[in-house]
Amino acid sequence: GAVVSQHPSWVICKSGTSVKIECRSLDFQATTMFWYRQFPKQSLMLMATSNEGSKATYEQGVEKDKFLINHASLTLSTLTVTSAHPEDSSFYICSAPGGGRNTGELFFGEGSRLTVL
Amino acid sequence: QKEVEQDPGPLSVPEGAIVSLNCTYSNSAFQYFMWYRQYSRKGPELLMYTYSSGNKEDGRFTAQVDKSSKYISLFIRDSQPSDSATYLCAMSVGAAGNKLTFGGGTRVLVKP
Repeated sequence: GAVVSQHPSWVICKSGTSVKIECRSLDFQATTMFWYRQFPKQSLMLMATSNEGSKATYEQGVEKDKFLINHASLTLSTLTVTSAHPEDSSFYICSAPGGGRNTGELFFGEGSRLTVL
Repeated sequence: QKEVEQDPGPLSVPEGAIVSLNCTYSNSAFQYFMWYRQYSRKGPELLMYTYSSGNKEDGRFTAQVDKSSKYISLFIRDSQPSDSATYLCAMSVGAAGNKLTFGGGTRVLVKP
């Protein structure tokens, strides 16, 4: 299947700082990418839809000024958690439609674990 | 009420047994149904993908969709300890580029 890569896989930062997470589609182009957040023992919750060349679409309750999304190219989307606080500590996962044999098939990155001290 | 309901488990079975997982949903507009496997601290991995109602088999995995009952199932035959993971059902209204709605996940433990 298609490969989606995330970096960093884990990051620890101090409260008040900003953290950037990258999501790359390695062997295909993705005009759309999805960013999810997963708290321990909970399911994935969609945060926003990243659109190449235009503004991201945020889900209800997700602060767009706190979670900045940039989709500058067909293979890269970034999520920046601004002024991070301990409650932002979570597992952030991106995904992209891979254009595989199944229409609508989504491929996920390995996730990025953020810990805010 | 959540849009997609899934028993969180944990579901513990002996090696070789059949694992039976299911989800119910409320949105009749869902057309695409998926099952993902997620190991601890890893991203989800797609196992099965089904469009509309019916059955689909792939190796030890069988997925069933009953749209009339808004009920989907995943069966794992001859379960192995390596199948121990959290299994997430997911579904979407449209096809390519559409966002998924996930169930809460069922944690499965296959004991040797």
